[in-house]
Amino acid sequence: DADVTQTPRNRITKTGKRIMLECSQTKGHDRMYWYRQDPGLGLRLIYYSFDVKDINKGEISDGYSVSRQAQAKFSLSLESAIPNQTALYFCATSDSGKGNTIYFGEGSWLTVV
Amino acid sequence: AQSVTQLGSHVSVSEGALVLLRCNYSSSVPPYLFWYVQYPNQGLQLLLKYTTGATLVKGINGFEAEFKKSETSFHLTKPSAHMSDAAEYFCAVRSAGGTSYGKLTFGQGTILTVHP
Repeated sequence: DADVTQTPRNRITKTGKRIMLECSQTKGHDRMYWYRQDPGLGLRLIYYSFDVKDINKGEISDGYSVSRQAQAKFSLSLESAIPNQTALYFCATSDSGKGNTIYFGEGSWLTVV
Repeated sequence: AQSVTQLGSHVSVSEGALVLLRCNYSSSVPPYLFWYVQYPNQGLQLLLKYTTGATLVKGINGFEAEFKKSETSFHLTKPSAHMSDAAEYFCAVRSAGGTSYGKLTFGQGTILTVHP
């Protein structure tokens, strides 16, 4: 079983609909992240959380919200999806060490039509 | 603020040839540097990382990278390419302090193609 699990792995939704992407991890890490990947742009940080009571905006948070339900769970919501939010979304985790590795889930493909 | 620039969005080499993927970074505080690889339809896997100590870092699958502070570079190399190395590679920087503390900033990615 994967250490970082994302659901759903693929979703097609309509413009204006609310969609939630869920992430759970079994690594026992404090920190969790949501990234978005677009061709030619690399990965960009949407939101991050250093512990259950800590939520921070990343570089592209507009149009997104998150919830850290527990240490192991971090969900990303699109309240009203729009086509330019079509992308591959990654959840990631790390512990609190400065140079420690960030581990990624397998990604969730979201298409907004 | 921190940023990463990967020179060349596509690199093509022949099997057995040297692989060189270029990465330059900017960071106002000492950086931690990472290379990740993404195979088709998969997530990102860590190849190697530099935190402190030896500036030449060895990773998985025969890859290595050298941190050069004076050049603000962290280029990825492999002496002999294999067909299985075909993938997209991402360089990333993570600051040890400042306003970007703890956040990983990625370059745009380089797609490596290996020809027989």
